[in-house]
Formats: sequence, C-alpha cells, structure tokens
Amino acid sequence: KAGVTQTPRYLIKTRGQQVTLSCSPISGHRSVSWYQQTPGQGLQFLFEYFSETQRNKGNFPGRFSGRQFSNSRSEMNVSTLELGDSALYLCASSLGSSEKLFFGSGTQLSVL
Amino acid sequence: DQQVKQNSPSLSVQEGRISILNCDYTNSMFDYFLWYKKYPAEGPTFLISISSIKDKNEDGRFTVFLNKSAKHLSLHIVPSQPGDSAVYFCATLADNQGGKLIFGQGTELSVKP
Repeated sequence: KAGVTQTPRYLIKTRGQQVTLSCSPISGHRSVSWYQQTPGQGLQFLFEYFSETQRNKGNFPGRFSGRQFSNSRSEMNVSTLELGDSALYLCASSLGSSEKLFFGSGTQLSVL
Repeated sequence: DQQVKQNSPSLSVQEGRISILNCDYTNSMFDYFLWYKKYPAEGPTFLISISSIKDKNEDGRFTVFLNKSAKHLSLHIVPSQPGDSAVYFCATLADNQGGKLIFGQGTELSVKP
C-alpha cells in the first residue's frame, strides 16, 4: 500500500505570494490532517478534514485554509505569505477515528 | 501555552546504554499518549502508545511509562542503537474525533557508537 504522498517536496516563495500544497492519503483513509513544524515549536495542528468536511481547526490565522476532495485528497493553501510561514508542512492520514496518524514526508516551504 | 512539553531539546547516549526521553502534560483529561520518531527529511512515524488505564507498555526495546499523578510520561530505549538517532515527539489525543494530536516540541536523540 502506498504511503501518504505530499507534493511538492520543496517550495520557495516570496512574501505576499500564495501557495498551495497537496496531499494524497493512504488508500482507504478518509481523514487528512495538516501540521506545521518549525524549529523549537514541535508540530502545530492546522486542521483536519474528514469526508470533505473540516472537523477540527487549530489556532492559525485565516490565511491558512484547506479542503478535501471526494477522493480524500487534500490541499492546503496559505495566502499573503509571511517570513514566519517558513516551515515544514506535514500531512497525515488516518482511517477516521483512529488516533494513529501516518505522515507524509512533508513540504519544506521557504518564504524569502 | 504548551500543553505537552518536552523540556530536553537534545539527548546524547552511548550505544548499548539506556535512553530516557521525558514528556510532561498539563491536562489531566488527556488519556491517550503516543510517541513518534522522526528522521530528517521524513515524516514522523508512530512508535508506541499508552492508554491512561495502564502505567506501562512495552514493545521490544521500547517501553513507555505513564505517571498520571505527575502528568508525566517517559520513553525508555534499551539498548540504544545508532539507528535510534532521531527526533522523538510525544503526543496526546486532543479529543475523540481523531486526527488531532497535540505534540511536544521534540527531543533529538543522538546515539554514539
């Protein structure tokens, strides 16, 4: 079974731009969660989608948004990028109510 | 405020010795805890978990201990191997809906040959 796939692996943007990150979950997994990892902050929860509906949301500004498609694939969008948005963005999938998450390798975003 | 804390950003251990990684949490309502391991350029992978109805869970070289009264858990790795060198995150399940884990800041373990 293929794992969680995130594209692109690396991304360089400038302040003020917007970016869209993509995540394909493990086949059969209906829950997709997004996390931001920065040095010293660990993994910060962004949001979770289940069956195309946002089920949970973390404490991030409205510039961070996401969506999930009928095939469970998910996208995350960050608008009006700031330098502080530079981070590793991780996507994880699970069967639904499972607490065990399976992570992708992440998208490393650098904002210049 | 950090609800799950790993106060040691790094730990260095000799191969063959025990590695002990610590984690504290603030909310006594948390009842399920997990440890994830992360290598550079890879996503975290699930390592071991423990429910609050237990105080110890063992899986091979990895043992997690939970002290509910102290709101503290620890991960023991015995014996430590160079391949165990990675960042270890403890996490707790924030609610029953799944997919929302609260992570600590991580501890970077280095196992020296």
